Amino acid sequence: DGGITQSPKYLFRKEGQNVTLSCEQNLNHDAMYWYRQDPGQGLRLIYYSQIVNDFQKGDIAEGYSVSREKKESFPLTVTSAQKNPTAFYLCASSIGLGTSGDVDTQYFGPGTRLTVL
Amino acid sequence: DAKTTQPPSMDCAEGRAANLPCNHSTISGNEYVYWYRQIHSQGPQYIIHGLKNNETNEMASLIITEDRKSSTLILPHATLRDTAVYYCTENNAGNMLTFGGGTRLMVKP
Repeated sequence: DGGITQSPKYLFRKEGQNVTLSCEQNLNHDAMYWYRQDPGQGLRLIYYSQIVNDFQKGDIAEGYSVSREKKESFPLTVTSAQKNPTAFYLCASSIGLGTSGDVDTQYFGPGTRLTVL
Repeated sequence: DAKTTQPPSMDCAEGRAANLPCNHSTISGNEYVYWYRQIHSQGPQYIIHGLKNNETNEMASLIITEDRKSSTLILPHATLRDTAVYYCTENNAGNMLTFGGGTRLMVKP
């Protein structure tokens, strides 16, 4: 099956610990994204990557880090510097940025629910 | 901040059409209108998008007003499985999406 996978589905972490969320896609997409969703709220962009070995901060990057060593993988690390990490984390991918006026559709994974104990 | 505004909730009877409105007060000429939906505890699912013309696919229809300041997502025959939060958003060549609170659609038997 082609698609985006995120693991684990549920993750528990003690305060002060770093934790890494996995995101893998086999769609051959160039662009990948990480979003955070709090209860009853919309999605907020954490980081995005348009190409391997390059990534950019989104609206709420503080306390998070990412890497993009392979096209199909875009792991997100939630560090101890993130003060309120309990949330639902969503990964997405898209074919890649086109020329001006083009647009491409983002497709989302199933999400990881992180709870800090 | 979200660039779109939607009613927080709507009800629809099963089998009837569900019409979900969205206001795009600051949309620019090269921004596409996108609709996604999110069933509880799952990732958002792409539904449809459009720029100026009305669009239809196997899931829904999208109506965009001539001034592009509002759009309506139409689910022609709503089922119980269409109960979800529906998000409208805008997407340009920079491919950045901004999601607001969405509309919680409840389809009732």
